[in-house]
Amino acid sequence: AQSVTQLGSHVSVSEGALVLLRCNYSSSVPPYLFWYVQYPNQGLQLLLKYTSAATLVKGINGFEAEFKKSETSFHLTKPSAHMSDAAEYFCAVSHTGTASKLTFGTGTRLQVTL
Amino acid sequence: GAVVSQHPSWVICKSGTSVKIECRSLDFQATTMFWYRQFPKQSLMLMATSNEGSKATYEQGVEKDKFLINHASLTLSTLTVTSAHPEDSSFYICSATGDYGYTFGSGTRLTVV
Repeated sequence: AQSVTQLGSHVSVSEGALVLLRCNYSSSVPPYLFWYVQYPNQGLQLLLKYTSAATLVKGINGFEAEFKKSETSFHLTKPSAHMSDAAEYFCAVSHTGTASKLTFGTGTRLQVTL
Repeated sequence: GAVVSQHPSWVICKSGTSVKIECRSLDFQATTMFWYRQFPKQSLMLMATSNEGSKATYEQGVEKDKFLINHASLTLSTLTVTSAHPEDSSFYICSATGDYGYTFGSGTRLTVV
């Protein structure tokens, strides 16, 4: 079985501040972990993914995430928030890179204020 | 990069009618298609998994006779909501996998009135 837990359904930061979105996973096998962003009434866009290579993964739009096995975490960070980062963010886990289903967390809505 | 075209982007239908949602992989072969449902301000819940030429595998609690999935080719999968009712109103998203990993469609907002 696999699952992810996203702590904080809503996070608010000021423009220019650090963004930290938390994700903890549970998996019986080495996991593949993903972060997606969703804008209203749109599909999901991949920010980054961990596939057992480097533990620090750099993604698009300045986001990065670090895989910490000891903490079973895969938190998403961005040094400086931009207004355009306001969206819903989902952490997801799968057993394989592509063939198995993705299990999503409950999502975190990021609000960016002036 | 990989693109999945999902149509329609939104649809309003009368209760009791059927609605078909299409997902087409434009530049790659989608060996597996996943169909998700998302309620407002909630996460994505997997409804079913389909492989080209095979019957779809439905998640527990999803009515296979109500949500018909066809994956007749490596580039096209369809979800038909049969005899739709207001409680079927939701956002439906497909995700195709192939050489590029998971690629999501843009979603379909279904409203049943």
